[in-house]
Amino acid sequence: SAVISQKPSRDICQRGTSLTIQCQVDSQVTMMFWYRQQPGQSLTLIATANQGSEATYESGFVIDKFPISRPNLTFSTLTVSNMSPEDSSIYLCSVEDNDRFQETQYFGPGTRLLVL
Amino acid sequence: QKEVEQDPGPLSVPEGAIVSLNCTYSNSAFQYFMWYRQYSRKGPELLMYTYSSGNKEDGRFTAQVDKSSKYISLFIRDSQPSDSATYLCAMSVTGGGNKLTFGTGTQLKVEL
Repeated sequence: SAVISQKPSRDICQRGTSLTIQCQVDSQVTMMFWYRQQPGQSLTLIATANQGSEATYESGFVIDKFPISRPNLTFSTLTVSNMSPEDSSIYLCSVEDNDRFQETQYFGPGTRLLVL
Repeated sequence: QKEVEQDPGPLSVPEGAIVSLNCTYSNSAFQYFMWYRQYSRKGPELLMYTYSSGNKEDGRFTAQVDKSSKYISLFIRDSQPSDSATYLCAMSVTGGGNKLTFGTGTQLKVEL
């Protein structure tokens, strides 16, 4: 399966600031996904990012708050903008693995964000 | 009501026990069912993948899907302390790059 890395692994940020999270894959993938995992809650899909097109956001998530870039087939970024304590969460990127199961996703290690 | 319900646990069992983890769901359109294992401070790791109803076995792990009851299970035989983790069920309507809907996860601890 694809090897996925994320930067930073964790961060503590002040209210009102923005943080950009990077996701790097060791192989070319068509679709990349960004999830949020809040304490005691299930993983929630924020958006789907295809290379060369605008990201598709799920209900409750907007581009102004979570802008996403997908400049090539191995890289994506998620920015958490104008942060508040409610944005404290684990943010995970995932990819569809075309070498094994096209129907499922593999996850990166996550970025742990604490907003004060 | 959540689309996918999963008992959060924690579930504590002795080493060697058979563990049963379960999820129920409400959307009858789900066709692809997965189990992920997540160790503390790590990302979810795909453990089992099943399409439609039936059983699938991989080593000590068996996944079962009963679409008529909207119920899926993961069985772990001869559980080991290294199995201590949070287990997440996930499902999707179609294959490809489709949205996965997750349960909240069950925390499992296997004790010596």
